[in-house]
Amino acid sequence: GAGVSQTPSNKVTEKGKYVELRCDPISGHTALYWYRQSLGQGPEFLIYFQGTGAADDSGLPNDRFFAVRPEGSVSTLKIQRTERGDSAMYLCASSSSAGAEQYFGPGTRLTVT
Amino acid sequence: AQRVTQPEKLLSVFKGAPVELKCNYSYSGSPELFWYVQYSRQRLQLLLRHISRESIKGFTADLNKGETSFHLKKPFAQEEDSAMYYCALWYSSASKIIFGSGTRLSIRP
Repeated sequence: GAGVSQTPSNKVTEKGKYVELRCDPISGHTALYWYRQSLGQGPEFLIYFQGTGAADDSGLPNDRFFAVRPEGSVSTLKIQRTERGDSAMYLCASSSSAGAEQYFGPGTRLTVT
Repeated sequence: AQRVTQPEKLLSVFKGAPVELKCNYSYSGSPELFWYVQYSRQRLQLLLRHISRESIKGFTADLNKGETSFHLKKPFAQEEDSAMYYCALWYSSASKIIFGSGTRLSIRP
Protein backbone atom coordinates (compact mmCIF):
# COMPACT_ATOMS: atom_id res chain seq x y z
CA GLY A 1 0.00 0.00 0.00
CA ALA A 2 0.93 3.65 -0.19
CA GLY A 3 3.30 4.94 2.40
CA VAL A 4 3.43 8.34 4.05
CA SER A 5 3.62 11.13 1.52
CA GLN A 6 4.69 14.73 1.97
CA THR A 7 4.29 17.72 -0.27
CA PRO A 8 6.06 19.68 -1.51
CA SER A 9 9.34 17.79 -1.61
CA ASN A 10 11.21 21.09 -1.71
CA LYS A 11 10.15 24.56 -0.71
CA VAL A 12 12.17 27.74 -1.11
CA THR A 13 10.74 30.84 0.47
CA GLU A 14 11.88 34.30 1.45
CA LYS A 15 12.44 35.37 5.01
CA GLY A 16 9.21 36.63 6.54
CA LYS A 17 6.89 34.59 4.32
CA TYR A 18 4.30 32.04 5.42
CA VAL A 19 4.60 28.36 4.42
CA GLU A 20 2.48 25.25 4.71
CA LEU A 21 3.84 21.73 4.60
CA ARG A 22 1.48 18.82 4.04
CA CYS A 23 1.59 15.23 5.28
CA ASP A 24 -0.61 12.35 4.11
CA PRO A 25 -0.28 9.47 6.57
CA ILE A 26 -0.86 5.81 5.91
CA SER A 27 -4.59 5.18 5.74
CA GLY A 28 -5.99 4.17 9.11
CA HIS A 29 -3.03 5.40 11.14
CA THR A 30 -4.34 7.38 14.07
CA ALA A 31 -0.99 8.69 15.31
CA LEU A 32 0.90 11.31 13.33
CA TYR A 33 4.22 12.96 14.16
CA TRP A 34 6.17 15.91 12.81
CA TYR A 35 9.95 16.13 13.16
CA ARG A 36 12.55 18.66 12.05
CA GLN A 37 15.99 17.57 10.97
CA SER A 38 18.80 20.06 10.66
CA LEU A 39 22.00 19.25 8.79
CA GLY A 40 24.16 16.79 10.67
CA GLN A 41 21.54 16.11 13.31
CA GLY A 42 18.96 13.47 13.99
CA PRO A 43 15.23 14.17 13.67
CA GLU A 44 13.90 16.38 16.45
CA PHE A 45 10.34 15.93 17.65
CA LEU A 46 7.93 18.80 17.01
CA ILE A 47 4.36 17.62 17.57
CA TYR A 48 2.28 14.46 17.94
CA PHE A 49 -1.37 14.01 16.96
CA GLN A 50 -3.63 11.27 18.16
CA GLY A 51 -6.64 11.52 15.89
CA THR A 52 -7.56 15.15 15.37
CA GLY A 53 -6.04 16.52 18.53
CA ALA A 54 -2.47 17.52 19.27
CA ALA A 55 -1.55 15.23 22.14
CA ASP A 56 1.90 16.76 22.57
CA ASP A 57 3.14 19.97 20.97
CA SER A 58 6.05 20.49 23.33
CA GLY A 59 8.59 20.33 20.51
CA LEU A 60 7.28 23.31 18.56
CA PRO A 61 10.08 25.88 18.88
CA ASN A 62 7.88 28.99 19.18
CA ASP A 63 4.46 30.36 18.35
CA ARG A 64 5.35 30.87 14.69
CA PHE A 65 4.89 27.13 14.28
CA PHE A 66 1.45 25.55 14.25
CA ALA A 67 0.04 22.26 13.00
CA VAL A 68 -3.45 20.95 12.36
CA ARG A 69 -5.10 17.66 11.54
CA PRO A 70 -8.77 18.58 11.23
CA GLU A 71 -10.18 15.25 10.05
CA GLY A 72 -7.73 12.93 11.71
CA SER A 73 -5.90 12.12 8.49
CA VAL A 74 -3.96 14.75 6.54
CA SER A 75 -1.89 17.16 8.60
CA THR A 76 -0.48 20.57 7.76
CA LEU A 77 2.48 22.17 9.46
CA LYS A 78 2.29 25.95 9.22
CA ILE A 79 5.17 28.34 9.76
CA GLN A 80 4.58 32.07 9.96
CA ARG A 81 7.15 34.82 9.41
CA THR A 82 9.80 32.32 8.37
CA GLU A 83 13.39 32.86 9.45
CA ARG A 84 16.60 31.54 7.94
CA GLY A 85 17.02 29.32 10.99
CA ASP A 86 13.83 27.47 10.00
CA SER A 87 15.68 25.96 7.03
CA ALA A 88 15.70 22.20 7.56
CA MET A 89 14.19 18.93 6.46
CA TYR A 90 10.70 18.48 7.90
CA LEU A 91 9.70 14.86 8.37
CA CYS A 92 6.29 13.39 9.00
CA ALA A 93 5.63 9.91 10.38
CA SER A 94 2.52 7.92 11.16
CA SER A 95 1.78 4.83 13.19
CA SER A 96 -1.25 2.65 13.88
CA SER A 97 -1.17 3.74 17.52
CA ALA A 98 1.14 5.51 19.94
CA GLY A 99 4.17 3.32 20.54
CA ALA A 100 3.73 1.29 17.37
CA GLU A 101 6.29 1.40 14.59
CA GLN A 102 6.48 4.82 12.97
CA TYR A 103 6.59 5.00 9.19
CA PHE A 104 8.33 8.05 7.81
CA GLY A 105 7.62 10.14 4.77
CA PRO A 106 10.32 11.37 2.38
CA GLY A 107 10.37 14.81 3.97
CA THR A 108 10.02 18.39 2.79
CA ARG A 109 13.23 20.34 2.49
CA LEU A 110 12.53 23.93 3.46
CA THR A 111 14.99 26.66 2.53
CA VAL A 112 14.45 30.18 3.77
CA THR A 113 16.50 32.77 1.87
CA ALA B 1 16.83 14.59 30.91
CA GLN B 2 16.21 12.07 28.18
CA ARG B 3 19.05 11.91 25.71
CA VAL B 4 20.57 9.65 23.09
CA THR B 5 24.25 9.95 22.27
CA GLN B 6 26.01 8.55 19.23
CA PRO B 7 29.67 9.48 19.64
CA GLU B 8 30.79 8.67 16.10
CA LYS B 9 29.75 10.88 13.20
CA LEU B 10 31.42 8.57 10.71
CA LEU B 11 32.52 4.96 10.85
CA SER B 12 34.42 3.46 7.95
CA VAL B 13 35.22 -0.27 7.81
CA PHE B 14 36.25 -2.76 5.17
CA LYS B 15 33.81 -5.22 3.68
CA GLY B 16 33.79 -8.39 5.75
CA ALA B 17 35.02 -6.65 8.90
CA PRO B 18 32.92 -6.46 12.08
CA VAL B 19 30.86 -3.36 12.70
CA GLU B 20 29.84 -1.75 15.97
CA LEU B 21 27.88 1.48 16.06
CA LYS B 22 27.81 2.95 19.54
CA CYS B 23 24.76 4.35 21.28
CA ASN B 24 24.32 5.51 24.87
CA TYR B 25 21.14 6.80 26.38
CA SER B 26 19.90 8.70 29.40
CA TYR B 27 16.40 7.85 30.62
CA SER B 28 14.95 7.57 34.10
CA GLY B 29 12.30 4.98 33.26
CA SER B 30 12.36 1.60 31.56
CA PRO B 31 13.81 2.33 28.13
CA GLU B 32 12.55 1.16 24.79
CA LEU B 33 15.24 1.58 22.16
CA PHE B 34 15.42 1.40 18.41
CA TRP B 35 17.81 1.64 15.54
CA TYR B 36 16.65 3.46 12.41
CA VAL B 37 18.48 3.40 9.09
CA GLN B 38 18.43 5.73 6.10
CA TYR B 39 19.93 4.43 2.87
CA SER B 40 20.94 6.87 0.16
CA ARG B 41 17.90 8.55 -1.40
CA GLN B 42 15.49 6.54 0.74
CA ARG B 43 13.33 7.46 3.67
CA LEU B 44 14.10 6.76 7.29
CA GLN B 45 13.02 3.26 8.31
CA LEU B 46 13.06 1.10 11.39
CA LEU B 47 15.89 -1.41 11.47
CA LEU B 48 15.24 -3.08 14.80
CA ARG B 49 13.81 -2.54 18.27
CA HIS B 50 15.23 -4.07 21.39
CA ILE B 51 12.00 -5.62 22.65
CA SER B 52 11.68 -7.80 19.57
CA ARG B 53 15.19 -9.19 19.99
CA GLU B 54 15.35 -9.87 16.27
CA SER B 55 18.33 -9.94 13.97
CA ILE B 56 17.63 -7.82 10.91
CA LYS B 57 19.98 -7.93 7.91
CA GLY B 58 22.51 -9.57 10.20
CA PHE B 59 22.42 -6.69 12.70
CA THR B 60 21.80 -7.18 16.40
CA ALA B 61 21.66 -4.80 19.34
CA ASP B 62 21.64 -5.66 23.02
CA LEU B 63 20.30 -3.36 25.67
CA ASN B 64 22.79 -2.99 28.52
CA LYS B 65 21.02 -1.17 31.32
CA GLY B 66 24.11 -1.10 33.50
CA GLU B 67 26.10 0.77 30.87
CA THR B 68 23.01 2.51 29.46
CA SER B 69 24.06 1.38 25.99
CA PHE B 70 22.40 -0.09 22.94
CA HIS B 71 25.23 -0.67 20.48
CA LEU B 72 24.45 -2.00 17.00
CA LYS B 73 26.62 -4.85 15.79
CA LYS B 74 27.18 -6.94 12.71
CA PRO B 75 29.91 -9.58 12.44
CA PHE B 76 30.65 -9.17 8.71
CA ALA B 77 29.93 -5.85 7.01
CA GLN B 78 28.54 -5.76 3.48
CA GLU B 79 28.73 -2.89 1.01
CA GLU B 80 24.95 -2.49 1.07
CA ASP B 81 25.16 -1.66 4.77
CA SER B 82 26.51 1.78 3.90
CA ALA B 83 23.91 4.20 5.25
CA MET B 84 23.08 6.65 8.01
CA TYR B 85 22.15 4.98 11.29
CA TYR B 86 20.18 6.60 14.10
CA CYS B 87 19.74 5.27 17.59
CA ALA B 88 16.44 6.31 19.16
CA LEU B 89 14.64 6.17 22.49
CA TRP B 90 10.88 5.88 22.92
CA TYR B 91 9.89 8.40 25.59
CA SER B 92 6.70 6.64 26.62
CA SER B 93 5.29 9.24 28.99
CA ALA B 94 5.27 11.77 26.16
CA SER B 95 4.64 9.35 23.28
CA LYS B 96 7.58 10.56 21.25
CA ILE B 97 10.91 9.36 19.93
CA ILE B 98 14.19 10.99 20.81
CA PHE B 99 16.86 10.46 18.17
CA GLY B 100 20.62 10.54 18.38
CA SER B 101 22.59 12.63 15.93
CA GLY B 102 23.40 9.66 13.73
CA THR B 103 26.44 7.75 12.51
CA ARG B 104 27.31 7.45 8.86
CA LEU B 105 28.55 3.94 8.15
CA SER B 106 30.74 3.58 5.09
CA ILE B 107 31.78 0.11 3.94
CA ARG B 108 34.92 0.03 1.83
CA PRO B 109 35.26 -2.69 -0.80
